[in-house]
Amino acid sequence: AQSVSQHNHHVILSEAASLELGCNYSYGGTVNLFWYVQYPGQHLQLLLKYFSGDPLVKGIKGFEAEFIKSKFSFNLRKPSVQWSDTAEYFCAVNAPGGSYIPTFGRGTSLIVHP
Amino acid sequence: DTGVSQDPRHKITKRGQNVTFRCDPISEHNRLYWYRQTLGQGPEFLTYFQNEAQLEKSRLLSDRFSAERPKGSFSTLEIQRTEQGDSAMYLCASSLDRGYGEQYFGPGTRLTVT
Repeated sequence: AQSVSQHNHHVILSEAASLELGCNYSYGGTVNLFWYVQYPGQHLQLLLKYFSGDPLVKGIKGFEAEFIKSKFSFNLRKPSVQWSDTAEYFCAVNAPGGSYIPTFGRGTSLIVHP
Repeated sequence: DTGVSQDPRHKITKRGQNVTFRCDPISEHNRLYWYRQTLGQGPEFLTYFQNEAQLEKSRLLSDRFSAERPKGSFSTLEIQRTEQGDSAMYLCASSLDRGYGEQYFGPGTRLTVT
């Protein structure tokens, strides 16, 4: 079975600060990796995804994530956050083939002060 | 593409009552998933449909919970004899049966059992 750990449950930053949110997963095989974001009052939406190839993936709104297979990690980064990035961020993993049912981490609440 | 919709958005019910939620997926998506999310946690998988077939159920899904997708389009999730522990956000997501399993989420139904 898969599991996902998000180490930072609450992060508070000022605008223009750099962001890195940690995500580690536990699974022995090939995985697909995702970051989802939930802005206040809105539904979960896909931020970025990794399936194969270049381990550095870019998503919407200037976010990127790096897959490090040896560390079972998929950390989310943004060089300069904005107030509008205030949201909940969820890391998720699924195993290719079959049902693609994802396992989610518990999420990180990010607050960006203007 | 109108996205995934869920109805109702909020439901308050008394313990012991039955409730039913509806999910309308993106029209061309033949996979549909139900999740439960409580405060401070990520979405937890409940059940999954491929077209009208319910292919997988989580052990979280007690016998008081039942889900249907009768024509392979919309789905309903019913909870019988609700308990206070059922209070949560119930999320629906849909996806294509190809690709890597990225899911599109609805806004959720927030259930409060008093």
